[in-house]
Amino acid sequence: ELKVEQNPLFLSMQEGKNYTIYCNYSTTSDRLYWYRQDPGKSLESLFVLLSNGAVKQEGRLMASLDTKARLSTLHITAAVHDLSATYFCAVDEYGNKLVFGAGTILRVKS
Amino acid sequence: GAVVSQHPSRVICKSGTSVKIECRSLDFQATTMFWYRQFPKQSLMLMATSNEGSKATYEQGVEKDKFLINHASLTLSTLTVTSAHPEDSSFYICSATGTGNSYEQYFGPGTRLTVT
Repeated sequence: ELKVEQNPLFLSMQEGKNYTIYCNYSTTSDRLYWYRQDPGKSLESLFVLLSNGAVKQEGRLMASLDTKARLSTLHITAAVHDLSATYFCAVDEYGNKLVFGAGTILRVKS
Repeated sequence: GAVVSQHPSRVICKSGTSVKIECRSLDFQATTMFWYRQFPKQSLMLMATSNEGSKATYEQGVEKDKFLINHASLTLSTLTVTSAHPEDSSFYICSATGTGNSYEQYFGPGTRLTVT
């Protein structure tokens, strides 16, 4: 059974600082997703990582995937208040069946 | 981009009644649709997977007689919560994959169900 662990579960950051959210998973998979969720809203797709060594960047967020280590990271550069949200990683177990991590609540303080 | 809608966005029903939630892919054909449930401050849990024209596959622990899923067309799936109870109150989110980039999953806006 695939298990997905995210850490930290809660992250309070100062504006302008950098930080990384980690996503570990327990069995082999070639697809990993990062999503953002704002309170009361559904998921917004951030990144889809499809292969070992994949790196994608959008604005202040950069995601990477190491399939051998079964690890993905979401790096936040120079955080701004607008990035405050809950971030989920999800791993494709098989056939597009996604298993989600617990989520990381990010609060950026000015 | 691909758009998935859900209706209603919010529903309140009395205990013991049934409620139907619709999930539609607006600009693509959804070969597979997924139903998730999210309790407050928790993650998303997959309830079931449905393919057009076939029976849904339910995850362990999800009662198929309580959560009826119908995927009658390539653009519509419905989730009916039967004999709802307060513990069924949750945020229900559907997603869909299409025939193009099949790895991309498009999420609906969610339906907030409150059972009183």
